[in-house]
Amino acid sequence: AQSVSQHNHHVILSEAASLELGCNYSYGGTVNLFWYVQYPGQHLQLLLKYFSGDPLVKGIKGFEAEFIKSKFSFNLRKPSVQWSDTAEYFCAVNAREDYKLSFGAGTTVTVRA
Amino acid sequence: DAGVIQSPRHEVTEMGQEVTLRCKPISGHDYLFWYRQTMMRGLELLIYFNNNVPIDDSGMPEDRFSAKMPNASFSTLKIQPSEPRDSAVYFCASRRDSVYEQYFGPGTRLTVT
Repeated sequence: AQSVSQHNHHVILSEAASLELGCNYSYGGTVNLFWYVQYPGQHLQLLLKYFSGDPLVKGIKGFEAEFIKSKFSFNLRKPSVQWSDTAEYFCAVNAREDYKLSFGAGTTVTVRA
Repeated sequence: DAGVIQSPRHEVTEMGQEVTLRCKPISGHDYLFWYRQTMMRGLELLIYFNNNVPIDDSGMPEDRFSAKMPNASFSTLKIQPSEPRDSAVYFCASRRDSVYEQYFGPGTRLTVT
């Protein structure tokens, strides 16, 4: 079974700062990769996804992520955060032959105005 | 599309009572997933269905938990009897067979006193 590790538990930054959240997974086969965001009191929403092709994927709200297969990583980035990006961010992985998603523990991002 | 619908949104009950959570997946989705989210354990997959058939219930914590999917548009998660440690947010998600991402409902916040 695959497992997902998110490097940071809580990140605090100011508006306009750049954000990078780390995500590593452990699985030797082909995977699908996702980043979900959960705004306070809301459900999980898909930010972006990677299945195949260009390892740099762009999602909603200016987020992007890069898949580095050799490092088993799928880090999330945003060049300039806004106060409204305050949320919890989850990295998730599923093996291509499996339907179950494995989630990381989540990273809480607090953006100070 | 209305998205995944869950009810109730909040449930407060006393220990020992039966609790039933409900989910309506997105129309046309073949897979339905039940997750539990707690501070301690993060997001855990409890069970998932394919075409109304339970495929993997290895995440169901114990016999007090049961889930059914009588038809393609409705699923229930039942806890009987409930215990304080069952307090959590329970999410339902669905997806199509040909599409990898899962779509989450708003969740049910369960508090067992």
